[in-house]
Amino acid sequence: KAGVTQTPRYLIKTRGQQVTLSCSPISGHRSVSWYQQTPGQGLQFLFEYFSETQRNKGNFPGRFSGRQFSNSRSEMNVSTLELGDSALYLCASSFGTGGSDEQYFGPGTRLTVT
Amino acid sequence: AQSVTQLDSHVSVSEGTPVLLRCNYSSSYSPSLFWYVQHPNKGLQLLLKYTSAATLVKGINGFEAEFKKSETSFHLTKPSAHMSDAAEYFCVVSGLDSNYQLIWGAGTKLIIKP
Repeated sequence: KAGVTQTPRYLIKTRGQQVTLSCSPISGHRSVSWYQQTPGQGLQFLFEYFSETQRNKGNFPGRFSGRQFSNSRSEMNVSTLELGDSALYLCASSFGTGGSDEQYFGPGTRLTVT
Repeated sequence: AQSVTQLDSHVSVSEGTPVLLRCNYSSSYSPSLFWYVQHPNKGLQLLLKYTSAATLVKGINGFEAEFKKSETSFHLTKPSAHMSDAAEYFCVVSGLDSNYQLIWGAGTKLIIKP
């Protein structure tokens, strides 16, 4: 079974631009969660989607948004990029909602904002 | 509200000696608890999880954790450290009062001395 895939793996953007990151979950998994990981803040939860509906949302500004498609693939979008958005963005999938099911993580997308 | 505290940001042990990574949580309801591991330049992986079955949970690579409700703790242990255990370890809690959103600890970096 293929693991969680994230594209692109690396991205360099300029302040003010927007970016879209993609995540393909493990086949059969219906939940996708997104995290931001930085050296200073650790792992921060962004949001979770389950069957195309947002179930939970972390404390991030409205510039961060996401969606999930009928095939469970998910995208997250960050508009008006700021230097502080530079981070590793991780996607995780699980069969049920992330609360009690094991989450399987992708390798992440490394975003650098200059 | 649920929260989780990893009591040490760094733990350094010699190879062959026991490992103890400490985690305390707060939860109004019976929580699910997890330990995840992140090796350098590798993805996050589930080590073990507690979901109200046996209080002593065995995980991969010889790790285990004990759920102690009276102490609200879920410490991770291993009898004998190996060089390959060097990684960052995250304690995670989930439950009804977080709408089953995973609440992540700040992480503990485990350093193994030869």
